[in-house]
Amino acid sequence: QVQLVESGGGLVKPGGSLRLSCAASGFSFSDFYMGWIRETPGKGLEWVSYISSSGSSRGCADSMKGRCTISRDNAKNLLYLEMNSLRVDDAAVYYCARGGKRRLEYFDYWGQGTLVTVSS
Amino acid sequence: EIVMTQSPAILSVSLGERATLSCRASQSVSSNLAWYQQKPGQTPRLLIYDTSTRATGIPARFSGSGSGTEYTLTISSLQSEDFAVYFCQQYNSWYTFGQGTKLEVK
Repeated sequence: QVQLVESGGGLVKPGGSLRLSCAASGFSFSDFYMGWIRETPGKGLEWVSYISSSGSSRGCADSMKGRCTISRDNAKNLLYLEMNSLRVDDAAVYYCARGGKRRLEYFDYWGQGTLVTVSS
Repeated sequence: EIVMTQSPAILSVSLGERATLSCRASQSVSSNLAWYQQKPGQTPRLLIYDTSTRATGIPARFSGSGSGTEYTLTISSLQSEDFAVYFCQQYNSWYTFGQGTKLEVK
């Protein structure tokens, strides 16, 4: 069965950096777009970043632009999100999720999430 | 950015009754619209994609409709397990989510 397991969250000071990972299993990882979505009680669900199946196309939401790098290792079935210059309002539960095969689409499987706390 | 607005924020419905949830986009999303269900402590679960296609394993009591900027999720006969928060999401231009509708027992 499809499984997505995030890791790498934790407490970071404002201005700090963090690298999140997502281990995928149970499907052909290299065939699918992947994304990161975050959730907060105040803002709800917010898309953060996406990457195409090959990694050739990627993007970050405006709220993270210039501070976000998404990457993937299709040989290891791993998805990454590097975040820099973190702000207090970046604190959230970060989910990795599976997208479509050919384009940006809905997310049919989600991980359990990893909590990022940004505080001094 | 396409803004998704869901209404109402809270919907109170009795068991066995019909629930109708709305989602409005700030511009056309060309039927590239999905619905998710989220229960406390759980991750979102895909219910509907492409406006009206049920995801794998989703009961037939869930249906979606709409076009352009207006979309609806209908749950025909509410079961106890359906009380949750529901989100819409557009994927026509990047991705944006609605703020959610909480479906509660009346």
